[in-house]
Amino acid sequence: DTAVSQTPKYLVTQMGNDKSIKCEQNLGHDTMYWYKQDSKKFLKIMFSYNNKELIINETVPNRFSPKSPDKAHLNLHINSLELGDSAVYFCASSQGDRRTGEQYFGPGTRLTVT
Amino acid sequence: AQTVTQSQPEMSVQEAETVTLSCTYDTSESDYYLFWYKQPPSRQMILVIRQEAYKQQNATENRFSVNFQKAAKSFSLKISDSQLGDAAMYFCAYRGNFGNEKLTFGTGTRLTIIP
Repeated sequence: DTAVSQTPKYLVTQMGNDKSIKCEQNLGHDTMYWYKQDSKKFLKIMFSYNNKELIINETVPNRFSPKSPDKAHLNLHINSLELGDSAVYFCASSQGDRRTGEQYFGPGTRLTVT
Repeated sequence: AQTVTQSQPEMSVQEAETVTLSCTYDTSESDYYLFWYKQPPSRQMILVIRQEAYKQQNATENRFSVNFQKAAKSFSLKISDSQLGDAAMYFCAYRGNFGNEKLTFGTGTRLTIIP
């Protein structure tokens, strides 16, 4: 029943590790996004995909690699984790061809790097 | 590039009273969308209200309404009859004309409701 789901909700890991966050939406949307919310609650776009094609890449380190196997999924893989990667990561989706289309957000994944 | 500014890091209001949260933005586009999102302690992002720039009429959703001043690039949120459940971070956000464009967020306003 959940519109946009993310797994895991919490992730604690050590510096240098590689981790992935998964996102799935069952709304039939064609566009998906990753946003990062830092410790000061500031939200910023990282990536977006439209029909599995990357359309936004906002100067994110190349340790971050999004992958969209199909329209309903957008995963985020992070290599060589650093302390500064600690944040909440939100996945969102929208219908790209609808001007009024709002973005629906997942519950967020709190990543803590120690 | 578009920017969104929320100048009130924190606000508080007595339960049942009215509070207004401020937001200004900068853009060179003439057609765009503005949003207010609510983020309670559960951290879920919840859309509160949406305004289309080409519509002069201010949007309203139950106890929530906006004052959209396009020339001044101002988009404030008014919450009437404040309730304890309104306590949250509120984010103003800008989006371009197309449904697949990114949201640009302000820095947020933390709203406290005083019983």
